[in-house]
Amino acid sequence: EAGVAQSPRYKIIEKRQSVAFWCNPISGHATLYWYQQILGQGPKLLIQFQNNGVVDDSQLPKDRFSAERLKGVDSTLKIQPAKLEDSAVYLCASSLVGTGFVSTEAFFGQGTRLTVV
Amino acid sequence: GNSVTQMEGPVTLSEEAFLTINCTYTATGYPSLFWYVQYPGEGLQLLLKATKADDKGSNKGFEATYRKETTSFHLEKGSVQVSDSAVYFCALTSGGGNKLTFGTGTQLKVEL
Repeated sequence: EAGVAQSPRYKIIEKRQSVAFWCNPISGHATLYWYQQILGQGPKLLIQFQNNGVVDDSQLPKDRFSAERLKGVDSTLKIQPAKLEDSAVYLCASSLVGTGFVSTEAFFGQGTRLTVV
Repeated sequence: GNSVTQMEGPVTLSEEAFLTINCTYTATGYPSLFWYVQYPGEGLQLLLKATKADDKGSNKGFEATYRKETTSFHLEKGSVQVSDSAVYFCALTSGGGNKLTFGTGTQLKVEL
């Protein structure tokens, strides 16, 4: 079974430029997540989709970050304009939909390492 | 809100030593608890999990017991190997959703 695919693996941009990341989840996984992992910290959820609807985007800096999942499969995360503090690894994950209070396992991609200079 | 606190690293051990990485949590309701591992150059992988109090999760020789009375989920392994060198993250979900709240991670280095 193919895992979660992300591209690119690495990206270096100047501040105030824009950048986009792409994610292809595991086939059949309705739930897709974008996490931001700053060096030395644990991953922090930016946005969670179920199919093509947003479940949680409470920690997404909406003035500069946007994400979409138009057909309920692939997703893109965009930053415009980038700031120095956006330097981080951006992780995409996917899972089946949980039932009741039972969480289902999230599978992570390898991430995209963004450096803003 | 939910939070996870885990011991700072790096932790450096000799091969075959006993490993403990401490993890405590704060959460509303009845969280599910997880340990994820990140090997160099790879993505996060689920190592083990426990979904209710007194459950023990285990995998690849690692164990962790869900202790509600002490709000802890410490990771242990009786004999570590060089191949266990990685960053270990404690995490939780709460309230029926799948949103993971992570600790800051603990780097483990195992030397010959």
